[in-house]
Amino acid sequence: GAGVSQSPSNKVTEKGKDVELRCDPISGHTALYWYRQSLGQGLEFLIYFQGNSAPDKSGLPSDRFSAERTGGSVSTLTIQRTQQEDSAVYLCASSSRTGRTGELFFGEGSRLTVL
Amino acid sequence: EDQVTQSPEALRLQEGESSSLNCSYTVSGLRGLFWYRQDPGKGPEFLFTLYSAGEEKEKERLKATLTKKESFLHITAPKPEDSATYLCAVQAVTSGTYKYIFGTGTRLKVLA
Repeated sequence: GAGVSQSPSNKVTEKGKDVELRCDPISGHTALYWYRQSLGQGLEFLIYFQGNSAPDKSGLPSDRFSAERTGGSVSTLTIQRTQQEDSAVYLCASSSRTGRTGELFFGEGSRLTVL
Repeated sequence: EDQVTQSPEALRLQEGESSSLNCSYTVSGLRGLFWYRQDPGKGPEFLFTLYSAGEEKEKERLKATLTKKESFLHITAPKPEDSATYLCAVQAVTSGTYKYIFGTGTRLKVLA
């Protein structure tokens, strides 16, 4: 597609349920990032995938959070046993990382509400 | 510790009233500084990349500048459609990993 696509755009779930958020990056982009944005907060880094390298998981807040990237393209962020503090907008971004540019291209985000 | 601080947190301007947004940073191994615009309910939209002190970039009513410790986003004669949150981010390389550290943004409101 022309841009980064995320789904669902909105997700309301009950505390304790598992959720999956999907990100389809720009075709050919080798780098993929997940961020979390809470109201009034900056973007919090979660995880980074680069090509076939092992992902940088240093930003995942707990072992309830995991992510995978299949075939170097689509990524899924999974949150198990959701808590109310997980409510936020989850943003995915991709980058080609060619040359010096390095800018991130963001999707519209998935807004998660945990009741 | 790598850190990005933006000020002010919020800014209200009258249409045509020029002003500047500040982004100060402390980071090791700086690769670039980025400005993004974020509209409510949307993902951040890329505006500029700056790589070295003294560099300037312009786009319509926006001009970004960079020093060794901070960046400014100058808005000249703003219009109501410039209302948005403006985010600053720095890119650093740590152990081969490209990390982006974001500030909390400046919420700009331009009144007609």
